Formats: sequence, C-alpha cells, structure tokens
Amino acid sequence: SQQGEEDPQALSIQEGENATMNCSYKTSINNLQWYRQNSGRGLVHLILIRSNEREKHSGRLRVTLDTSKKSSSLLITASRAADTASYFCATDAISSARQLTFGSGTQLTVLP
Amino acid sequence: DSGVTQTPKHLITATGQRVTLRCSPRSGDLSVYWYQQSLDQGLQFLIQYYNGEERAKGNILERFSAQQFPDLHSELNLSSLELGDSALYFCASSVGAGQETQYFGPGTRLLVL
Repeated sequence: SQQGEEDPQALSIQEGENATMNCSYKTSINNLQWYRQNSGRGLVHLILIRSNEREKHSGRLRVTLDTSKKSSSLLITASRAADTASYFCATDAISSARQLTFGSGTQLTVLP
Repeated sequence: DSGVTQTPKHLITATGQRVTLRCSPRSGDLSVYWYQQSLDQGLQFLIQYYNGEERAKGNILERFSAQQFPDLHSELNLSSLELGDSALYFCASSVGAGQETQYFGPGTRLLVL
C-alpha cells in the first residue's frame, strides 16, 4: 500500500513560474524525502526533511513538513524546462523502520 | 550518476522463465534495496539487505528471492515469470541500515512475453 499520496497527479506550467506539489501520508514518520525521476530513469534524491523540522531549502527547492496534518509540500521556484520529471515523496514510517514508502508521484511539465 | 550500477539494462523473456538482476551499490554503502515500478502498482519496496543480511521485507512475492554477497553486490532472482512481472526493477543503496538517503541505480527494464 502507498503511504504517501501526491497532489496534483499532473502539473503543467510555463518556464519561470513556481511549481508546488503536495504529499499527504497516513502514519507517523521518522523523515520524509522527495525524489525526482526523469522518464524511465532511476530516482534522484532531492531533499530529506526530518520529523522535527518544519522547513528546508536546497537551491531552488523549498520543502515544508506539517506533521500535525501529515502533509508536506515541495516548491520549485523559477522552474526550467529541465525540471520536467515525476516527483515522488517517500516516507520512512516509524512503524516500518528502514522501508521507504513512495507515493504515486506528480508529473511536472515545464513548458519553454 | 548515482554510483549504483545495475545489469542488464533491458531483459526480454518468456513466461515461466527465471532471470537474475544484478546490482552493485555505491562504494562504502552497506545497504541494498530492491524496488519494483509498474504502471498499476507504482514504486513498491521489495526487500533490503544490510551487510549481507536480510534487513526488511516488503511486497516481495515468494517466486522472487534476493541475496547480498560478501563484496556487497546483490542479486534479485525472479522465477516462474508471469506477464504481470513486467516492470522496471530498481536497486538503491545507502550507507547505513535505514532512515537516510537512498541512491538509486538506473534500473532494469523487464519485459515478460
């Protein structure tokens, strides 16, 4: 079963705009990670946020975590055509230590 | 390039057959994870090995088995293949036993005809 569910399933924006993706999960977690996958390729780790953190930045990425609402958001600022990919959240649930459970992903398309 | 290698890149086989997928983790990583990605099931965790020992088990079928060797490379064996086993199989590695960043290989695309 999937712990995390991303929203929206697909997002299409113009280059230069910001993209926001959301992830909701069901159980208490140790941390939450965001990964990116270009079509048919392996996943690339973007950022990890621990359960005691509320916000984290990495370059053009900003991740927030609200453990009370069991949700996270990934913001990509000033998007580029090269950001076109699928984005997945993955949770490391306290009840299933060491297993990452991935959501269904958001397909982001950035139009030039 | 994550540093995780997987072979082969593509595999086409027939139902009922058996295949072996191979993964070499990043240098220094002790954990290896196997995932299956299909259109209908998404990305599913199969199994994890840490320093040669099975550490965690996910949605792995009894027809599937894995092992991690002393040099830390891992193999995933899929037997009695069915059409529904067609998927991308990813290997990932991490330094420790869990709760940390995993580095994914490029995957093996399996097609069962």
